[in-house]
Amino acid sequence: ILNVEQNPQSLHVQEGDSTNFTCSFPSSNFYALHWYRWETAKSPEALFVMTLNGDEKKKGRISATLNTKEGYSYLYIKGSQPEDSATYLCASSSNDYKLSFGAGTTVTVRA
Amino acid sequence: KAGVTQTPRYLIKTRGQQVTLSCSPISGHRSVSWYQQTPGQGLQFLFEYFSETQRNKGNFPGRFSGRQFSNSRSEMNVSTLELGDSALYLCASKGESYYEQYFGPGTRLTVT
Repeated sequence: ILNVEQNPQSLHVQEGDSTNFTCSFPSSNFYALHWYRWETAKSPEALFVMTLNGDEKKKGRISATLNTKEGYSYLYIKGSQPEDSATYLCASSSNDYKLSFGAGTTVTVRA
Repeated sequence: KAGVTQTPRYLIKTRGQQVTLSCSPISGHRSVSWYQQTPGQGLQFLFEYFSETQRNKGNFPGRFSGRQFSNSRSEMNVSTLELGDSALYLCASKGESYYEQYFGPGTRLTVT
């Protein structure tokens, strides 16, 4: 049973369109929320780490927000490009260093 | 700086056998964590080693064990393999910063 949930499991988006998806996590004993991008045949790559309620992080066309009180985070992709196709993983951690991962959202950008 | 390396990349074993996977962290990193990924599941945390000591452990049976050497390289051992152990096993290393975790390419284990 995963206590970190990601929705949707997969999505298709047209090149140039924007999209977003969610990660929900237990808000009790929360320490940090991590987002990773995992491309096929590669290693997961860290995108963001957020700790404070209301945090917003941005990296190019990708951004993320954090709501620790209600236990969710959004990842946004603006103007999707084919190279954005990947599985996006989120993970929450409490202060015991363990990361609990969601099952991921697989994004496919259609040209 | 070289990244996290894992060997072997692919492995096929038979039920009942045992297997050892290896992970070499980024130079200077003392923490190594191991994860299992099976279809439809998120990455499941196995254990973390820091300076040769197990710092954290996930909810896996005792057939899964690990160790870390003085050079921070880590090995994971699975004994009495079961079909359900077929998975991608990833290791990740961390430096001084709690937040910086870098993953290796994984070892794909198939148990037949």
